[in-house]
Amino acid sequence: DAGITQSPRHKVTETGTPVTLRCHQTENHRYMYWYRQDPGHGLRLIHYSYGVKDTDKGEVSDGYSVSRSKTEDFLLTLESATSSQTSVYFCAISTSGGTDTQYFGPGTRLTVL
Amino acid sequence: GENVEQHPSTLSVQEGDSAVIKCTYSDSASNYFPWYKQELGKGPQLIIDIRSNVGEKKDQRIAVTLNKTAKHFSLHITETQPEDSAVYFCAGNTGGFKTIFGAGTRLFVKA
Repeated sequence: DAGITQSPRHKVTETGTPVTLRCHQTENHRYMYWYRQDPGHGLRLIHYSYGVKDTDKGEVSDGYSVSRSKTEDFLLTLESATSSQTSVYFCAISTSGGTDTQYFGPGTRLTVL
Repeated sequence: GENVEQHPSTLSVQEGDSAVIKCTYSDSASNYFPWYKQELGKGPQLIIDIRSNVGEKKDQRIAVTLNKTAKHFSLHITETQPEDSAVYFCAGNTGGFKTIFGAGTRLFVKA
């Protein structure tokens, strides 16, 4: 998985609680992405980062926030988890922008009860 | 914005046969079209990509074709093997940070 780890790999939480997912890379890639994967929807971009402290919204950003204080770490926070946020979350990295290979992490399966 | 549609959602072929997955896109500004393979329990992995200035690209048993006029592109896998069984995603990008993925095709290769 190209030097990308995600933690936790599995999490079960309750509606209304905050949740933070972590993506850590050892490749020193500038660009990092958070996607969610749901049946029938493929992968949808939540947020992305184009440098330390530089982030922007993707297709489905409502209810999510991100932070990137170091090149290697990109955090995704669900401010108040809802059942509609039950999904598999993937982090990805790339050396340049969207027209370049994205390397995906192993994913985090999140269940919101 | 860009929309990418992918068909079929499920495809079953006999080992040794060919498999074809088709995608259409809506934004004529899209210029980069990657294909990703996802095995069970893993993240997607790029298998081939094509840019808008090229009509076809091959890599061993895998090929991708692009028809810009019709706004569709296809993945062709020849001589399929059981290890080709996976979910395949097509995607389109207009040159920015936002890559739009299709819904995926689950390919079964029967031995």
